[in-house]
Amino acid sequence: KAGVTQTPRYLIKTRGQQVTLSCSPISGHRSVSWYQQTPGQGLQFLFEYFSETQRNKGNFPGRFSGRQFSNSRSEMNVSTLELGDSALYLCASSLVAPGTHYEQYFGPGTRLTVT
Amino acid sequence: QKEVEQDPGPLSVPEGAIVSLNCTYSNSAFQYFMWYRQYSRKGPELLMYTYSSGNKEDGRFTAQVDKSSKYISLFIRDSQPSDSATYLCAMSVGVLKLSFGAGTTVTVRA
Repeated sequence: KAGVTQTPRYLIKTRGQQVTLSCSPISGHRSVSWYQQTPGQGLQFLFEYFSETQRNKGNFPGRFSGRQFSNSRSEMNVSTLELGDSALYLCASSLVAPGTHYEQYFGPGTRLTVT
Repeated sequence: QKEVEQDPGPLSVPEGAIVSLNCTYSNSAFQYFMWYRQYSRKGPELLMYTYSSGNKEDGRFTAQVDKSSKYISLFIRDSQPSDSATYLCAMSVGVLKLSFGAGTTVTVRA
């Protein structure tokens, strides 16, 4: 079974621009979560989507948004990019079914550099 | 104070040694505990998952949870150079929102 895929893998943007990142979960997984990983702050939770609805949200400004489509694929958007947004953005998928708990499986990430 | 504390290391051990990693946490609502391994320039890979106090074994890996002390551990027996990676503990209160430790960088010397 294919794992979580994320596109693009690398991205360079300029301050003030916006960016959209894409995530395809493992087949059959209905929940998609997004995390930001930086050397200083580590892995921080952004938001989680299930059945096209945002269920949980982390402590990030409104410039960070996301959505999920009916096929469970998800996108996240960052508007008005700042230098501090440079990070590895990770997507994780979960099955969400009876007998499962809260295991999340991560994709390889998108490395975003803001200049 | 962070919810999850993990010594970032680095930790360097000879091949065949036991690697011992641990995390402490302050939120008593955490119920689910995970260990992830992350190689350089890759996403985290789920290694172990547990939701009760006690030990759980999987091959060379043993995860230990002590909820009364708010302390979790991961032991890697017979460590190999291929175990060289960053190990992250993660916890959840019961929703799909993980709180991570800072990660411990481990090097296993051949």
